[in-house]
Amino acid sequence: ETGVTQSPTHLIKTRGQQVTLRCSSQSGHNTVSWYQQALGQGPQFIFQYYREEENGRGNFPPRFSGLQFPNYSSELNVNALELDDSALYLCASSPGAGNQPQHFGDGTRLSIL
Amino acid sequence: AQKVTQAQTEISVVEKEDVTLDCVYETRDTTYYLFWYKQPPSGELVFLIRRNSFDEQNEISGRYSWNFQKSTSSFNFTITASQVVDSAVYFCALSEATGYALNFGKGTSLLVTP
Repeated sequence: ETGVTQSPTHLIKTRGQQVTLRCSSQSGHNTVSWYQQALGQGPQFIFQYYREEENGRGNFPPRFSGLQFPNYSSELNVNALELDDSALYLCASSPGAGNQPQHFGDGTRLSIL
Repeated sequence: AQKVTQAQTEISVVEKEDVTLDCVYETRDTTYYLFWYKQPPSGELVFLIRRNSFDEQNEISGRYSWNFQKSTSSFNFTITASQVVDSAVYFCALSEATGYALNFGKGTSLLVTP
């Protein structure tokens, strides 16, 4: 069983640029959630995708957007990057929306200069 | 609004000691779910347990045990006979019955030394 995989592992960008992070869900999982984890903090929910539709969103501005594809993989896009966007971005998949345990990938470390 | 508090920022123990990680939560919902995750230095969050608000039975899994008490809104996690491999950051999280988001605490960093 293949787990959740994320790419790239690390990324360095400058303010104002745009970035796309990718996530492949665990086999059999149709729901993907994205979280932002600042250094020393717990993960913060960005949004969730279920069957290619956004299923819920946390307190993040519209410049954070996403997609889910028919194979349930997902992308997180962030426009107009700001210094505070520097964080570990975690993708999690689960077998359905709701309160099934979410299984996380290793994350993408994004640094904004 | 939901809130999860992990008051212990860092804990350091010597191998084979028992250690308890505290988690206190706030929610207005009568139905909710509580989770514990482990985050080793590699960064991946590893799922440990999920409990729903109607199941107050304590759970034991090997050296791990969990004590859920609705009366005190707590869901504490105990590691018995700790090992160096237990060193990690541990997160408690809460979600609503009809929700989808995990609301995490700030985590407790556990260091187990030989």
